[in-house]
Amino acid sequence: DVKVTQSSRYLVKRTGEKVFLECVQDMDHENMFWYRQDPGLGLRLIYFSYDVKMKEKGDIPEGYSVSREKKERFSLILESASTNQTSMYLCASSNPRTANYGYTFGSGTRLTVV
Amino acid sequence: GEDVEQSLFLSVREGDSSVINCTYTDSSSTYLYWYKQEPGAGLQLLTYIFSNMDMKQDQRLTVLLNKKDKHLSLRIADTQTGDSAIYFCADAYSGAGSYQLTFGKGTKLSVIP
Repeated sequence: DVKVTQSSRYLVKRTGEKVFLECVQDMDHENMFWYRQDPGLGLRLIYFSYDVKMKEKGDIPEGYSVSREKKERFSLILESASTNQTSMYLCASSNPRTANYGYTFGSGTRLTVV
Repeated sequence: GEDVEQSLFLSVREGDSSVINCTYTDSSSTYLYWYKQEPGAGLQLLTYIFSNMDMKQDQRLTVLLNKKDKHLSLRIADTQTGDSAIYFCADAYSGAGSYQLTFGKGTKLSVIP
């Protein structure tokens, strides 16, 4: 069964901490994405990557950075966590040549910044 | 730019049919999708339809596509309490040899026993 695995389901961090959210996929997908989800706002794209060491800003990149050193792993970094980054974070991956499968999502990480 | 719109809430009684509607703006969309998100979980692909189709049926799910009006709907027959979730509509658009999805904000379906 193909999978996108996010390292933590729940995370509590303090304001100002550096936070790493990890995402690993086993489908050999080129494309990987990070979204945040907030009530009433739907999914908002933070960053995405089309290949190893490539990254592109999404709609709300401020306060975040990403790293893709290996094809299967895409990390989201909060350089200095703030309370307004409390949210559900979703990672997804896709094969760019097979649109009929859409994106495969991880289970999400609910981050609380106190 | 791309836009996908759907109503935020829908409430139905158990056993009734649910119809979740979605409109999109991109006339070059190739695939359209419905995702389901159960509480505290990620999004799960429910079904998809290719843009040259009008209808797709999969057990209790029926997807209708009106390409002229850019309107997509998901009908769930005999709705059960386990269908309570957020349903996201999404469309795929192609660019630079790849494709990206644009998601609606999601419709929260509440099923009343």
